[in-house]
Amino acid sequence: DSGVTQTPKHLITATGQRVTLRCSPRSGDLSVYWYQQSLDQGLQFLIHYYNGEERAKGNILERFSAQQFPDLHSELNLSSLELGDSALYFCASSEKTGAGNTIYFGEGSWLTVV
Amino acid sequence: AQSVAQPEDQVNVAEGNPLTVKCTYSVSGNPYLFWYVQYPNRGLQFLLKYITGDNLVKGSYGFEAEFNKSQTSFHLKKPSALVSDSALYFCAVREMGGQNFVFGPGTRLSVLP
Repeated sequence: DSGVTQTPKHLITATGQRVTLRCSPRSGDLSVYWYQQSLDQGLQFLIHYYNGEERAKGNILERFSAQQFPDLHSELNLSSLELGDSALYFCASSEKTGAGNTIYFGEGSWLTVV
Repeated sequence: AQSVAQPEDQVNVAEGNPLTVKCTYSVSGNPYLFWYVQYPNRGLQFLLKYITGDNLVKGSYGFEAEFNKSQTSFHLKKPSALVSDSALYFCAVREMGGQNFVFGPGTRLSVLP
């Protein structure tokens, strides 16, 4: 158990809908990262927050947004969902932002768009 | 821009034999290199990392990796494979000052009994 908690574990929703994925980082970790894993795209970096501030953006669609709250939990909002958004969404956390810091992954949220 | 290549989609090895999972990288400065393992329907688990110092890094579950700067490689190794090592292995790189981890496409390791 990495200590990173993600909810829900599984989610099935229809095209055009909006969902929110939640992540609680490890105790004491200030950095939160979101990744998308799909069969054809591999593991794609979406966005990174540190202590409530956005630090880096990756291949995140405009239909997606995220935030990190004062208690350090983070939410990833996915809207106007398309079939191609079906994937495993991971949250990861680390104590600091330095390049040598290890990031620890949660178990992921499986999103199926039908 | 940083990038990672894992040239083999699949590696098959017999139980008890040594295993190697290959990784090469490209960064503009000094690299920070990581290996993660993913078991079916699970998150990625950290195995080991190279930051600086000794080129041979030892990690969890008997795995080790060798950093080779001239070949820009960071191959994962284990002297004696177990069936339970069968999983998807990811190499990742981060460059100094960088915010992002860049992951390779993954290599599926199958250890045959």
